[in-house]
Amino acid sequence: QVQLQESGPRLVKPSQTLSLTCTVSGGSISGNSNHWSWARQPAGKGLEWIGRISGSGTADYNPSLESRVIISIDTSKNQFSLKMSSVTAADTALYFCAKELAGPLGWFDPWGQGTLVTVSS
Amino acid sequence: DFVMTQSPDSLAVSLGERATINCKSSQSLLSSSNNKNYLAWYQQKPGQSPKLLIYWASTRASAVPDRFSGSGSATDFTLTISTLQAEDVAVYYCQQYYSSPPTFGPGTKVDFK
Repeated sequence: QVQLQESGPRLVKPSQTLSLTCTVSGGSISGNSNHWSWARQPAGKGLEWIGRISGSGTADYNPSLESRVIISIDTSKNQFSLKMSSVTAADTALYFCAKELAGPLGWFDPWGQGTLVTVSS
Repeated sequence: DFVMTQSPDSLAVSLGERATINCKSSQSLLSSSNNKNYLAWYQQKPGQSPKLLIYWASTRASAVPDRFSGSGSATDFTLTISTLQAEDVAVYYCQQYYSSPPTFGPGTKVDFK
């Protein structure tokens, strides 16, 4: 079955760019019917959807973060990536990647294990 | 954005007893075109990622035990754990996918009494 794994720097300085990659195994990332999302969860808090990209490369974002976020896809590596610019302490969170089913607007299954990113100088 | 609220914030239930979690949407999640409710439920155990339990408000995901059930329509939904097991201690979230951006409820923590 499909599995997802996040990777990237765990510590980012304020005002810099957070970069994470999600590697998908057990299935192809490409194709218009596949949709891949990023979400985050600050410690002890709820979940916030960041954005998604289709297997054909169409992206859309949460309006609350859109000005700072870019999601891209590399079908040759079966990976998709998140870049968030101008980060502050408020961006410290557990970041998850997930497959979005019945997309491009649907439920999320499965999820990666998550990676904790801390924004601090 | 569609705002999702959940109640209670937390609840303590004895093993083998029923747990009921409520989720309310600020707008209807019922589509008139297919008569489906665009709502999912997730379970998140400590230190783990969320796990899908229910979609279309009442359809259990693969391998989810039948003690978990979802009900409700339009703006009011319920997740019921019919007989609480030890492994069900977790935080439960609802999520709407009727309108972008998809949004989650704040979560309900379920623990033992």
